[in-house]
This record gives sequence, structure tokens and C-alpha cells, in this order.
Amino acid sequence: DGGITQSPKYLFRKEGQNVTLSCEQNLNHDAMYWYRQDPGQGLRLIYYSQIVNDFQKGDIAEGYSVSREKKESFPLTVTSAQKNPTAFYLCASSSGGVSSSYEQYFGPGTRLTVT
Amino acid sequence: RKEVEQDPGPFNVPEGATVAFNCTYSNSASQSFFWYRQDCRKEPKLLMSVYSSGNEDGRFTAQLNRASQYISLLIRDSKLSDSATYLCVVNRVGYSTLTFGKGTMLLVSP
Repeated sequence: DGGITQSPKYLFRKEGQNVTLSCEQNLNHDAMYWYRQDPGQGLRLIYYSQIVNDFQKGDIAEGYSVSREKKESFPLTVTSAQKNPTAFYLCASSSGGVSSSYEQYFGPGTRLTVT
Repeated sequence: RKEVEQDPGPFNVPEGATVAFNCTYSNSASQSFFWYRQDCRKEPKLLMSVYSSGNEDGRFTAQLNRASQYISLLIRDSKLSDSATYLCVVNRVGYSTLTFGKGTMLLVSP
């Protein structure tokens, strides 16, 4: 079964700790994305990657970091510098590469709560 | 003007009703348009792409009006299972990314 997996589904952390969210896809997609969704809000783009070993900041990259060492994997680290990290984090992938805007497919998401 | 704007709703309709949502976008150079469906506390799922000529998938019809910069989604014969938030999505011109609207909530009642 092809798809996108995110783990864990729920994550709890203490303030001041860094935390890494996992995202894996076996769709052979080139592009991967991280979004954040807050209650009553739309999806906001954090980071995206169109190709291995390259990534770009989205609209709200401050306090986050990513890596893209493998085509299948795009982990997101929420650092202690992120002021309001509690949110629903969604990973997506797309077959589109540079200069294209193909439909994106989402993983089930990770709900992060920081107290 | 926001990049993608939608009426948040909720739209309350009885089963069997026909309901339509509109969405406006700000950049006339946009080329890719989609409707996604998001159930409560779940991930968005692609409902359909929107083509210039309009397209239909069962009970769902999507239309694009480039002159007025809006897209629409029509749902016929609403089912209880259609209750969800519908997200309007447009490509961000000059980037290989998408911009998501905040969504329109639909509640279908028996």
C-alpha cells in the first residue's frame, strides 16, 4: 500500500525541549511539505523540499528545522525557539518538482502538545 | 485581498439537498485549482482537481471562472457522510507550493 506515514499520532513534550516529527512516503514523490494547522485556521506552510538534499522555508519557518537526506523521508524538528509549538502538524508529498504545483497527498498528522 | 478566500459557514442542509460553495483567489496568474475535504481532526484529502472546462465526479461538480477569479463546488443529493470542511486550494504563482483556504464547513442533517 502506497502512502504517507507520520509518527507518532500524539506527542507530548515539556517546554524547552526539541522534538522531531517523522514523515515517510513510499509514493516515489519528489516533493515533500510540512504544514501546521491551528484550530479554526488554515494550513500554513513551514518548510518544503523539491529534491533530496535541498529545502526551502515556507511562511512560518522560524523555530523549525528540516532535513531531506533520503527521497522517502522529511523529518521536522520543532525547536525550543518556536514560541507556540502546540498544533496539528501535517506532512504532504507531491509528484511535482521544480516550478510545478501538482496535487498534494497528506499523512494522518501528528498532534503536538507542549506544556 | 487574501490569496484564497472562502465563506467559513457552517452551511446546514438536509439530506438530499444541493449545496454550492464559492472560493475567490487573488492572483490572476494562478493555474492549478483543487478542492480538498477535511474531516474533523483528520488530514485533508483531495476531492477533485478543477479544470478550465469544469468537471464532474458523481455528485460533485467543480467550476472555474477565470474572469471573476473564483472556483465553485456543487454537491447534489447531499449525504450525511458529506459533512466535513471543504478546502479551496490554489497554486502559489512563482513557487511550487499550494495555498489553502481556511475552509467552508458543511453539516448535513437527517
